[in-house]
Amino acid sequence: EAGVTQSPTHLIKTRGQQATLRCSPISGHTSVYWYQQALGLGLQFLLWYDEGEERNRGNFPPRFSGRQFPNYSSELNVNALELEDSALYLCASSSWGTGAYEQYFGPGTRLTVT
Amino acid sequence: SQQGEEDPQALSIQEGENATMNCSYKTSINNLQWYRQNSGRGLVHLILIRSNEREKHSGRLRVTLDTSKKSSSLLITASRAADTASYFCATDARDTGRRALTFGSGTRLQVQP
Repeated sequence: EAGVTQSPTHLIKTRGQQATLRCSPISGHTSVYWYQQALGLGLQFLLWYDEGEERNRGNFPPRFSGRQFPNYSSELNVNALELEDSALYLCASSSWGTGAYEQYFGPGTRLTVT
Repeated sequence: SQQGEEDPQALSIQEGENATMNCSYKTSINNLQWYRQNSGRGLVHLILIRSNEREKHSGRLRVTLDTSKKSSSLLITASRAADTASYFCATDARDTGRRALTFGSGTRLQVQP
């Protein structure tokens, strides 16, 4: 069974540009989560999508947005990039297994803003 | 701020020894999950323990959960050089329906061959 996949692996943008990151969940998983891992800030929850709807978002400004497609894949958009947006962006997916939602993560997209 | 806090921040042991990492959290939880991360790459799911469980095993891993103390421990027995990584605990807050995992700051484990 294929795991969570993310693309691209690396992304380099300049300040003010927009970045689009993509994620494909494990087959059968309907929920997709996005997390940011920035140096010195740790892993922080960004967004949760389920069945095409945004269900929850973390403490991030509105320029972080995304969507989930009918095939449950997702993309994360970051507008008006700032230097501090440089981070590893991790996508996870989950399903209801044994009474709990285990989240399985992809390899991440490393975004560098210059 | 991170709900979960791992202790120690860094741990260096010899191959074959056991490694114990601790995690504390602040609010009531549905479950607690442990993850491994190698060199800033993706997170590998290790084990999930529910709030009504006290201990769980998976291969060389043993996880305990003490909800009265809001703490958990991860024991890796007979460590190998390949276990070198950062280990994170993550909690799923109870009854919020938010499903947002809150991660600790991690323990960096170095296993010397």
